[in-house]
Amino acid sequence: EAQVTQNPRYLITVTGKKLTVTCSQNMNHEYMSWYRQDPGLGLRQIYYSMNVEVTDKGDVPEGYKVSRKEKRNFPLILESPSPNQTSLYFCASSSKGNTEAFFGQGTRLTVV
Amino acid sequence: AQSVTQLDSQVPVFEEAPVELRCNYSSSVSVYLFWYVQYPNQGLQLLLKYLSGSTLVKGINGFEAEFNKSQTSFHLRKPSVHISDTAEYFCAVSQLPLYNTDKLIFGTGTRLQVFP
Repeated sequence: EAQVTQNPRYLITVTGKKLTVTCSQNMNHEYMSWYRQDPGLGLRQIYYSMNVEVTDKGDVPEGYKVSRKEKRNFPLILESPSPNQTSLYFCASSSKGNTEAFFGQGTRLTVV
Repeated sequence: AQSVTQLDSQVPVFEEAPVELRCNYSSSVSVYLFWYVQYPNQGLQLLLKYLSGSTLVKGINGFEAEFNKSQTSFHLRKPSVHISDTAEYFCAVSQLPLYNTDKLIFGTGTRLQVFP
């Protein structure tokens, strides 16, 4: 089954404690993105990757890092999480020239 | 730069009634247009998309949307809603062509609440 898998689904952490949210897709897609969803703001792109070893900032990249060492994986790293990063995070993937993005189930992160 | 405005944050409706969720966009270039649905505690699922051609687009679950270039709108409609349509609906645009980025610009979402 074609899917984008994020882990964990729920995470509560303390300010400053480094964390990683994993994202994996099994569709051999070139493009992958991370979005955060906040009430009243919709979804905003954090980072994106056009292929292995190619990443770039989206609209709200501050406080986040990503890497793309393998085509299927695109982890989101918060080196020093802060409460304003409490949000619902989605990973998405799509293939070059395709017009449909596939989304993961989401990761609800709470930073206290 | 593109932007998307969803005019209603919440739309309450009774079961079997028709519904329209409004979406307006702005862009200086041609765009693709999308509607995504998010059921509670789930990710986003593509409902329908407009790329080119016929301005009336049909999607899953009986939804359809009409692209109106002169009014820069892409409203979503369903003639008779069901309880199971209760969800949040997002309108989104992406710039043509897609090969530089897969970035989607989302509206703020419309929560559709269907009552029995």
